[in-house]
Amino acid sequence: DAGVIQSPRHEVTEMGQEVTLRCKPISGHNSLFWYRQTMMRGLELLIYFNNNVPIDDSGMPEDRFSAKMPNASFSTLKIQPSEPRDSAVYFCASSLRGGGARGAFFGQGTRLTVV
Amino acid sequence: GDSVTQMEGPVTLSEEAFLTINCTYTATGYPSLFWYVQYPGEGLQLLLKATKADDKGSNKGFEATYRKETTSFHLEKGSVQVSDSAVYFCALGFHSGGSNYKLTFGKGTLLTVNP
Repeated sequence: DAGVIQSPRHEVTEMGQEVTLRCKPISGHNSLFWYRQTMMRGLELLIYFNNNVPIDDSGMPEDRFSAKMPNASFSTLKIQPSEPRDSAVYFCASSLRGGGARGAFFGQGTRLTVV
Repeated sequence: GDSVTQMEGPVTLSEEAFLTINCTYTATGYPSLFWYVQYPGEGLQLLLKATKADDKGSNKGFEATYRKETTSFHLEKGSVQVSDSAVYFCALGFHSGGSNYKLTFGKGTLLTVNP
């Protein structure tokens, strides 16, 4: 199994630009999570999908952030417009039934730098 | 709400020393408990898990026992190696239905093992 695949691995963009992060979950998993990791705030859950439907988006910091999951094998996290404080590592994770019993499997992450 | 508290880092040890990283949790109901490890530049990897009280999870020489009476899941290893240097995250999750289908992470503990 290829695991959770994220792209790009690194992204450098200018303030005000739109950024799209991509994630392909493990085949057969029906839950998908987007996390953000920074030194100051640690690991934060941004949004969580179950069967392609957003279940909990209370962690999305503001309206500039949006996430979609058009099908079971693909999700995007978009930031528009981007700001320097959005610089972080963004992780996608997938699991069966939310990972509550079995845990979740993480991708390698996308390191975003907004200058 | 549900939460996980783990000991503040960083933790610095010499090779072959004994390791303990404390983790306690607060949750309604009976969660599953996990330890994840994050090596530099990588995503989180599931290290071990326990799904009910008194269960012991183990992997790669690491162990943790689910203690319901003390709401704890401390990570231990008898003899650490330089290659164990990483950030360790304690997490809880629910295997019941409804909106509790997600993982809650602690802030992470940085472990550095010196030769």
